[in-house]
Amino acid sequence: AQSVTQPDIHITVSEGASLELRCNYSYGATPYLFWYVQSPGQGLQLLLKYFSGDTLVQGIKGFEAEFKRSQSSFNLRKPSVHWSDAAEYFCAVAGAGNMLTFGGGTRLMVKP
Amino acid sequence: SQTIHQWPATLVQPVGSPLSLECTVEGTSNPNLYWYRQAAGRGLQLLFYSIGIDQISSEVPQNLSASRPQDRQFILSSKKLLLSDSGFYLCAWSGYRGQETQYFGPGTRLLVL
Repeated sequence: AQSVTQPDIHITVSEGASLELRCNYSYGATPYLFWYVQSPGQGLQLLLKYFSGDTLVQGIKGFEAEFKRSQSSFNLRKPSVHWSDAAEYFCAVAGAGNMLTFGGGTRLMVKP
Repeated sequence: SQTIHQWPATLVQPVGSPLSLECTVEGTSNPNLYWYRQAAGRGLQLLFYSIGIDQISSEVPQNLSASRPQDRQFILSSKKLLLSDSGFYLCAWSGYRGQETQYFGPGTRLLVL
């Protein structure tokens, strides 16, 4: 069965600083990987996804993620964080039958 | 474009009362539909998914049930709520052709007292 680990439960960065959120997955076949963002009290919004091809994928809001098969990782990055990026971020892997398995989430706080 | 609606947005119910949460999707046909629960401080747990009308699969045994009476309507129900049913309930849809992206609704916050 697939699994996703987000090692950092909370991360605090200063506005304008760079950001990297870690995601490690376990899946036997070629993974389909996703990053979603959730603002308080809201649903999940898709930031980006990896299905195949270029291992560096670009998403919305200036986010990107890099798929590294050798490390079983799909880390999310942003070069300069804005206060509006404060939210909870979820990494997910799609398994058989399009079932998503989510990581536990990383809560991002942005200091002014 | 496709949109997904959930209602109500917030619900406060006493223990032992029934529950009905509704999810509808517009702008697509024959979607796969999903119900997730997000308990406080925890990740997302898949509860049910459906690949078609009256075709429901349950991922976790519990006192909740799901129904899909129409192609783009997905209902989450309970006959008697428990305190542990409190949480944030999210509905999602995806296309039906194999591995496709899931898109989420705005969610329903349920508080059982």
